[in-house]
Amino acid sequence: SQELEQSPQSLIVQEGKNLTINCTSSKTLYGLYWYKQKYGEGLIFLMMLQKGGEEKSHEKITAKLDEKKQQSSLHITASQPSHAGIYLCGADIGPDSWGKLQFGAGTQVVVTP
Amino acid sequence: DGGITQSPKYLFRKEGQNVTLSCEQNLNHDAMYWYRQDPGQGLRLIYYSQIVNDFQKGDIAEGYSVSREKKESFPLTVTSAQKNPTAFYLCASSIWRGLYNEQFFGPGTRLTVL
Repeated sequence: SQELEQSPQSLIVQEGKNLTINCTSSKTLYGLYWYKQKYGEGLIFLMMLQKGGEEKSHEKITAKLDEKKQQSSLHITASQPSHAGIYLCGADIGPDSWGKLQFGAGTQVVVTP
Repeated sequence: DGGITQSPKYLFRKEGQNVTLSCEQNLNHDAMYWYRQDPGQGLRLIYYSQIVNDFQKGDIAEGYSVSREKKESFPLTVTSAQKNPTAFYLCASSIWRGLYNEQFFGPGTRLTVL
């Protein structure tokens, strides 16, 4: 089965600093999804990447999928308290997945003043 | 407003009791999913349904049951056979946007077995 490894498990960043989260797959990714979760709440969709080399941005968050489609990174520029939470990557596991996703363990982000 | 609702938000259960978690969506999505989330772990798929009156087991279906009698509803029953049911349960529904499947999540139900 496909495994997704996220790193780091957690990070503390000072407000205004940049941060990067990585998501690495043991197999080729057909689609890679980034979600954000506040503790005890549901997941909020951030963005989805499908093509090798693809890069998408929304406000101060940028996500990239490498050419080999086995690793994605999520980069936050000039972090703010609103960026705190748990970030999860989810992978479309193949052409027959019927929308099923496998998830990484998540990265907890803490933003300090 | 369209969305997914889950109820209750918190649920306590005694050992040996079955309990049903509600999930309702008014997004007109065909597919619905149930995930379980444990501390420090990602989401694991319990059951999913692509269409009304049809559902399939996910990776950790043992001790759980579902039904899909209506498009809008996908309730999950946690049975007494589930050995470690205390967890955060998330329901999702999805729609195909071209080649990718966008999943929308409910707010979750936290189940605690006493």
